[in-house]
Amino acid sequence: ELKVEQNPLFLSMQEGKNYTIYCNYSTTSDRLYWYRQDPGKSLESLFVLLSNGAVKQEGRLMASLDTKARLSTLHITAAVHDLSATYFCAVVPGKIIFGKGTRLHILP
Amino acid sequence: NAGVTQTPKFQVLKTGQSMTLQCAQDMNHEYMSWYRQDPGMGLRLIHYSVGAGITDQGEVPNGYNVSRSTTEDFPLRLLSAAPSQTSVYFCASSWTSGYNEQFFGPGTRLTVL
Repeated sequence: ELKVEQNPLFLSMQEGKNYTIYCNYSTTSDRLYWYRQDPGKSLESLFVLLSNGAVKQEGRLMASLDTKARLSTLHITAAVHDLSATYFCAVVPGKIIFGKGTRLHILP
Repeated sequence: NAGVTQTPKFQVLKTGQSMTLQCAQDMNHEYMSWYRQDPGMGLRLIHYSVGAGITDQGEVPNGYNVSRSTTEDFPLRLLSAAPSQTSVYFCASSWTSGYNEQFFGPGTRLTVL
């Protein structure tokens, strides 16, 4: 059975701290996506990771992909309140499959 | 470009009623899909289409029908609504297949009483 597991599912952290969200998947996927969703809103694409070892950064967010370990990470550096949202990873073993999401709450 | 649009934004139905959720995109994307989002469940794929005239089932297709007569439109039909279909529905599109980055519509919040 295909599994896409994110952890943690909920994270409350203080501004200025660093943290990492993990996305493990159970089958081969040649790419991985990260999306952001604000409460009551739609999904917004953050990163597209296309190969093993891929690393992408935008602002305080950095995503990486290890296809051999079937693991992607989303690292948050010096968190700010504006990054509070739910973050989803998604893999594509034929059809796109989403993880359950990590709800990130950053305290001012 | 309007991107991906969905109507209505909110809908309340009674059990057994039927309705169609509309989705349109103006980016000439070949691939379109429908998801439902439930608390703690992430997004689950209902149906998808790789081009006009071609549709296929996703993870949770039961109770839903789709058709794709044009590249732009991909409506989702609920033939006999059930309370279990209460959810937020998102339509998405991408260039050629589900392998590509998807662009999401604003969503439709559906309540079935």
